[in-house]
Amino acid sequence: DAKTTQPNSMESNEEEPVHLPCNHSTISGTDYIHWYRQLPSQGPEYVIHGLTSNVNNRMASLAIAEDRKSSTLILHRATLRDAAVYYCILRSSGAGSYQLTFGKGTKLSVIP
Amino acid sequence: NAGVTQTPKFRVLKTGQSMTLLCAQDMNHEYMYWYRQDPGMGLRLIHYSVGEGTTAKGEVPDGYNVSRLKKQNFLLGLESAAPSQTSVYFCASSPMGAGTSGEKLFFGSGTQLSVL
Repeated sequence: DAKTTQPNSMESNEEEPVHLPCNHSTISGTDYIHWYRQLPSQGPEYVIHGLTSNVNNRMASLAIAEDRKSSTLILHRATLRDAAVYYCILRSSGAGSYQLTFGKGTKLSVIP
Repeated sequence: NAGVTQTPKFRVLKTGQSMTLLCAQDMNHEYMYWYRQDPGMGLRLIHYSVGEGTTAKGEVPDGYNVSRLKKQNFLLGLESAAPSQTSVYFCASSPMGAGTSGEKLFFGSGTQLSVL
C-alpha cells in the first residue's frame, strides 16, 4: 500500500466541525482511500472510504482533492465519543495488495 | 448479529508455552486478517486469508501460524511464546478484497496477550 502522512494529534471543541487531513502523494489511480478510527481499548472501526468523488455517510464525510494526493475526513459536529485515533490508509488490488499496515494515525482529542 | 468475536479476551503465558487465539465471524465474509498492535504503534498484519482453506503471510508472520479450515473461523497459533509477542491481537474480516469498492474491515474487540 502507498504511504500516507497524518498529523500525530489534533484537538477540537465539542460540537464544532473537525477536519482531519491525510497526504498520500504517491497514490495510484486505483487506490481506494479508507478511514478507520480506534476508540480507547477497542478494535478499529470503519468510518468511510472513497476513490475519486467526495463521499458522505452517517458518521462522516470524505473530501478528496482533485489530484487525489490528499484527502480530508470531516466530522461535522464533534462529540466526546469521537475522541479516538483516526487512521487514513490506501487500499489497492493486485499482487501484494493484502499487505495492510495501519500507521500511527491522528489522535483526536475533543474538549467539552 | 455478533460480527467478529475473539476468544479469549485476556491471556498470560510463560515463555515457551503455546496457545491458539480464535476468531469467528458470522457475516459470511471471505477475507479474514490477524493484526498485532503494540503500545503507541499502529496495527501490523501478521497473516491473512482470502477464503476457506487459504492463508498467507503478512508483514510480521514469524513465530505465528494460522489455519482457516472453516469459512467463519480464523485461528492464530503461537507454538512457543516469546516475550516479544506480548501485544494486543485483533482479528478482522471483510466481504470484499483489497482495492475493491466493497472492501470494509470489521474488527473484533481484541485479545490482550502477555508473555512472561
